[in-house]
Amino acid sequence: RKEVEQDPGPFNVPEGATVAFNCTYSNSASQSFFWYRQDCRKEPKLLMSVYSSGNEDGRFTAQLNRASQYISLLIRDSKLSDSATYLCVVNIGTNAGKSTFGDGTTLTVKP
Amino acid sequence: NAGVTQTPKFQVLKTGQSMTLQCAQDMNHNSMYWYRQDPGMGLRLIYYSASEGTTDKGEVPNGYNVSRLNKREFSLRLESAAPSQTSVYFCASSENRGIAPLHFGNGTRLTVT
Repeated sequence: RKEVEQDPGPFNVPEGATVAFNCTYSNSASQSFFWYRQDCRKEPKLLMSVYSSGNEDGRFTAQLNRASQYISLLIRDSKLSDSATYLCVVNIGTNAGKSTFGDGTTLTVKP
Repeated sequence: NAGVTQTPKFQVLKTGQSMTLQCAQDMNHNSMYWYRQDPGMGLRLIYYSASEGTTDKGEVPNGYNVSRLNKREFSLRLESAAPSQTSVYFCASSENRGIAPLHFGNGTRLTVT
C-alpha cells in the first residue's frame, strides 16, 4: 500500500461546478499536509497548506480528518484555469526531512 | 528574488556519460531536495539535505550522488547515465525540514539514449 494515495481521475467537470478530491495517508505520525498544483510539464506549486481546523482560500477549501487519515480539497465555481494535476503531500514528523507525494489527481474543467 | 534555479533545463546524454545538475536557492532555506518525476509514477525523492553539511538518501538514490556545496547550492550527479534515468528532475527547498512547504525549481528534462 502506498503511503499517500489519491484517486488519479481524471475528473472532467463543466465550468462552475464544484469538485472534491480526497487523499488518504497511512502513517498516523504524519504532521503536516499540503495541496500542490502542477500544470503540464511544469514544476509543482504550493496551492495551500492544510490545517487541523480546515482552511479556505477563495474558492478552495482544504480539510483534514486525522481520525480517518485523509485530507480533502474542495474547489467551488470551477474555472477553466483550474485544469491541472493536484498533488497531495504529507510530511511525517519534523525529523524525517522529506515529503511524501501522492501521484496526483487530474482535473479538466470544460466550457 | 529568483527562488529555486535549476540548470540545465534540457539535456540529452548517451548511456555511460556523466553529468551534474545544478540547483541554487536564494531564499535562505535550510533544506534542499532532489526529486525525479516519471509519467504515472509521481514525484520520488532521490536525495535530500536537511541542513548545510548533511545529505541523506531518499527513496531512489541508486545511480546518483549529491553535494551540498553551501547553504544555497545542492547538486545532483549522474556518474554513468542509464536509460532508466530518463526523467524530469526537480530541485526543491524548504525553510524547515518536515514542516514547511517545498519550493520547486523549473525542472531539468533529461533523456538518456
